[in-house]
Amino acid sequence: EVQLVESGGGLVQPGGSLRLSCVASGFTFSSYEMNWVRQAPGKGQEWVSLISSSGSTMYYADSVKGRFTISRDNAKNSLYLQMSSLRAEDTAIYYCASLTYGYWGQGTLVTVSS
Amino acid sequence: QAVLTQPSSLSASPGASASLTCTLRSDINIGTYRIYWYQQKPGSPPQYLLRYKSDSDKQQGSGVPSRFSGSKDASANAGILLISGLQSEDEADYYCMIWHSSVYWVFGGGTKLTVL
Repeated sequence: EVQLVESGGGLVQPGGSLRLSCVASGFTFSSYEMNWVRQAPGKGQEWVSLISSSGSTMYYADSVKGRFTISRDNAKNSLYLQMSSLRAEDTAIYYCASLTYGYWGQGTLVTVSS
Repeated sequence: QAVLTQPSSLSASPGASASLTCTLRSDINIGTYRIYWYQQKPGSPPQYLLRYKSDSDKQQGSGVPSRFSGSKDASANAGILLISGLQSEDEADYYCMIWHSSVYWVFGGGTKLTVL
């Protein structure tokens, strides 16, 4: 069974930093490109970032470019999102996902507020 | 103009069919794109339904009933998710998604389907 389990969310002040993690199981993680997708309260989905299977290529949405960094550790079947200079508008549930194959985690809530 | 446009809401009766549209921006030709469809219920992550590019390039999500199907309306530059034999459990938000080289993955705004 495919499982993606996110962690690391929480309450952070504007301008602060947070690191999200996602542990994968049930599929060959190292062969899949992976994504972070977020959903603000009451809003739709917003793609945030993608990393290739090897970790050599990363893409970012304009809204997070320069502030967020995606990475992975294939030996640990893990995906990460380092978030810095956080803003109120970054408040959302953050999902780890393989969008091509339709695998999604349950999400972790990030709240940016003073 | 948004890359993908979906109607914000749609209502249909149990047992009927519902056709959900996902219209691509006019400068993007739907012919070369795979359209992905997701269903999301309150408090849950999106669930993959299917992807559709053509009748020879399509994929149904694991465990997704055949009453969910995809198609395209080239004249409208739109992808279509058809749900036949509507059930109360189909009431949810539905999102379309594509990979576009200039914006990478992009989602439509979602359609809230009400079954009543």
